[in-house]
Amino acid sequence: SQQGEEDPQALSIQEGENATMNCSYKTSINNLQWYRQNSGRGLVHLILIRSNEREKHSGRLRVTLDTSKKSSSLLITASRAADTASYFCAWGTNAGKSTFGDGTTLTVKP
Amino acid sequence: DTEVTQTPKHLVMGMTNKKSLKCEQHMGHRAMYWYKQKAKKPPELMFVYSYEKLSINESVPSRFSPECPNSSLLNLHLHALQPEDSALYLCASSREQEAGTEAFFGQGTRLTVV
Repeated sequence: SQQGEEDPQALSIQEGENATMNCSYKTSINNLQWYRQNSGRGLVHLILIRSNEREKHSGRLRVTLDTSKKSSSLLITASRAADTASYFCAWGTNAGKSTFGDGTTLTVKP
Repeated sequence: DTEVTQTPKHLVMGMTNKKSLKCEQHMGHRAMYWYKQKAKKPPELMFVYSYEKLSINESVPSRFSPECPNSSLLNLHLHALQPEDSALYLCASSREQEAGTEAFFGQGTRLTVV
């Protein structure tokens, strides 16, 4: 993508393992958000991290943000089959709009 | 009520048809959004309404016409679409347009243009 990307594009793990997804962007940002999308459905907001924060936790989710490297990571610990979905990062600018990364498709095998 | 409701869920239309997609939220959010999502791609922003006024139009072709009749409703009027416009159309809302507010998404309308 011209504006950023996520890697890996696809990730397959066993239930109970941890999953890490990375997001890189190219502009100055105000915040970065992570969303989950189950097959062909709407997106669900997971977590928001502001540009002056470095790490944030929510349940089994841990997000880091490195503005010097223009990158963020999402860690899902102790994964479950129900975590199978596509995960998108979206970075927001002061212009008031968010741009989505290309997404990572996570498959958690029972 | 933390839902964004989109209707219809599925829509098949011909290239000469006129149809409308509807989106409704009752969370008191003052920003509403239309996104287009092709298969295996991220959502792409089309329009943003803030306080019922069009705030952002991402150079979307005029065959897509948004409308915000009131603070709870957002419509997308479709006319003379092309087969390549087939996609999942997502509506979202947030408390304000400013970056850093959580967006709530509807389940989308799966549009097929034949």
